[in-house]
Parts: sequence; C-alpha cells; structure tokens
Amino acid sequence: EPEVTQTPSHQVTQMGQEVILRCVPISNHLYFYWYRQILGQKVEFLVSFYNNEISEKSEIFDDQFSVERPDGSNFTLKIRSTKLEDSAMYFCASSPLNAGTEAFFGQGTRLTVV
Amino acid sequence: KQEVTQIPAALSVPEGENLVLNCSFTDSAIYNLQWFRQDPGKGLTSLLLIQSSQREQTSGRLNASLDKSSGRSTLYIAASQPGDSATYLCGTSYGKLTFGQGTILTVHP
Repeated sequence: EPEVTQTPSHQVTQMGQEVILRCVPISNHLYFYWYRQILGQKVEFLVSFYNNEISEKSEIFDDQFSVERPDGSNFTLKIRSTKLEDSAMYFCASSPLNAGTEAFFGQGTRLTVV
Repeated sequence: KQEVTQIPAALSVPEGENLVLNCSFTDSAIYNLQWFRQDPGKGLTSLLLIQSSQREQTSGRLNASLDKSSGRSTLYIAASQPGDSATYLCGTSYGKLTFGQGTILTVHP
C-alpha cells in the first residue's frame, strides 16, 4: 500500500542551526502539507503546497520556514535558524486533490532543539 | 477561525464495550471530516473520511456520523479490543485540516 515516508525519524540539532526535514509523498498525489505537534498539544497546520508553490500557510510559518519540491518525489521543510520552541513532531501529508479528498500522513520526524 | 473540540479527553473501558467519541466544530463550512488514530510517538493513521454531503461512514467496527448543521461528529467503536487503545483525533478540512486535541482511549483486557 502506498505511504508517505519521512526522514529522519528523529533529529537533534543545536539552537541556531538549520535543519531540513524530508518527505516522499504518495506518487500520484498533488497536494502536500506540513503539520507539527508540540508535545501534549494539538496537531497544527503549517503550510500547503500545490503546483510548485505555497497555496496556504499559517501564522506559525514565518520567514524562518521554507518548503521546496526539489525533484519529482521529495518535499522538504527547512527551518533556517532553529529555536528551542521549534522542538516538536513534524508531519508531512499528501492528498490526491485538495477539496474533499483524504489526507495521508507520514510517521513524522521528531525534532529536538537543544 | 475553525475550532475543533473533542470529548472526552480520556476514556478507559473494559474489553468488549461499545463506545462513542465526540467531536464538535464551530464552522460548518467544511469539505469533509476525518477521524485518525495516533499511537504514542507515531504518525496519524486515517480511519474514516466523511464528505460534507454524507451523514455517516462505516469501516469494520467503526462508524462515524456527521451532522454539519449542528457542528458535530461521533465515532462509534463496537466491541472494543485492547488493540484499539490509542489517541483518536478528528480533523475538519477546508483544504487544510484543523484538529481537535484528541481522545486518549484505553481498553483493558
């Protein structure tokens, strides 16, 4: 069964360093998303991406964050200068279409900023 | 701004019980509602998707209903098993998903 894959599963980084989280969405899907979940809190939307551009972003997704689809399979989230409060589980998701279609999530990357 | 609330926050039941998890949302302008399961430290597994035009959806022992006008959805789990123990999340979609805080379910053998 097709699935969304994320790497790495766990990343530890020092405050101020740049990190790149990687995702391979399901191959025939057109919409891609990043969400995050701070420990004990709700899953929060960060950004959606379609047709090689951002279609929507939340207030969390500030200039420190960027997304890219560098080739036909990968979808990345970059955090330029990590802060302690960026520590969270980051989930990638994809869906075939946007409106009314099912979203499939990866297993997540646990980011720990020290 | 959409707000999604799930009740109860936690539920502990003996094996074999039928149970109901509740989800309410403030904005009825949604495309669909999805129920997910999340095991500790893991990702979200989609359980059921209900389109905004549908009233209910079933998969095995799971049945989800949607009343868009009142902003409510329920997830019914029949004959619960210890393997059902997890956190259950509901999310409303209008493009992006907006999630509730989840119900932590524990099913005792």
